[in-house]
Amino acid sequence: AQTVTQSQPEMSVQEAETVTLSCTYDTSESDYYLFWYKQPPSRQMILVIRQEAYKQQNATENRFSVNFQKAAKSFSLKISDSQLGDAAMYFCAYRRGGAQKLVFGQGTRLTINP
Amino acid sequence: GAVVSQHPSRVICKSGTSVKIECRSLDFQATTMFWYRQFPKQSLMLMATSNEGSKATYEQGVEKDKFLINHASLTLSTLTVTSAHPEDSSFYICSAILAGRAYNEQFFGPGTRLTVL
Repeated sequence: AQTVTQSQPEMSVQEAETVTLSCTYDTSESDYYLFWYKQPPSRQMILVIRQEAYKQQNATENRFSVNFQKAAKSFSLKISDSQLGDAAMYFCAYRRGGAQKLVFGQGTRLTINP
Repeated sequence: GAVVSQHPSRVICKSGTSVKIECRSLDFQATTMFWYRQFPKQSLMLMATSNEGSKATYEQGVEKDKFLINHASLTLSTLTVTSAHPEDSSFYICSAILAGRAYNEQFFGPGTRLTVL
């Protein structure tokens, strides 16, 4: 079974600084997708960024980028120029290609210090 | 686009009563919806997969007679917590897949907080 591990329960960063959240996963599949979701205090899950396993290029969405290391099965999220609105729980998630179910990591609570 | 709503957002009920939570895809048709449960400071736990017109598929350890799921239309799935007890108190989240959308992207509802007294 696929598993997703986020080893950092909590992280904090100064506003305007850069922070990296870690995620590792375990799978024997070659076709899969990886996601980072944000859950702010409102509890609404928001998709931050998505990475297709077949793509070598790391995904980027404005201030958010990933470091996808397929051989190491690592998928970290970098947030640049952190803003107060980035404070939230961040979940790493995996989905096998062709499947619909997501497998979530335990989450990392990110605090932004003004 | 791709908005998912849940109703109610909060519900408080007495032990032994049943509670129904609705999940609607407002501007798209969803052949598949998911129900999750989230305890405080924990991750989302998938409870079941709901497919329109067929029986839901429950994850291991989830009591199907306790958590009744009905997906009667392409825009509505309901979760009924039967004979609720305090241990059923939790945050319930639904999500829906937009049919035909690439990546089988799940769109999440805002969640329902259930408190059983």
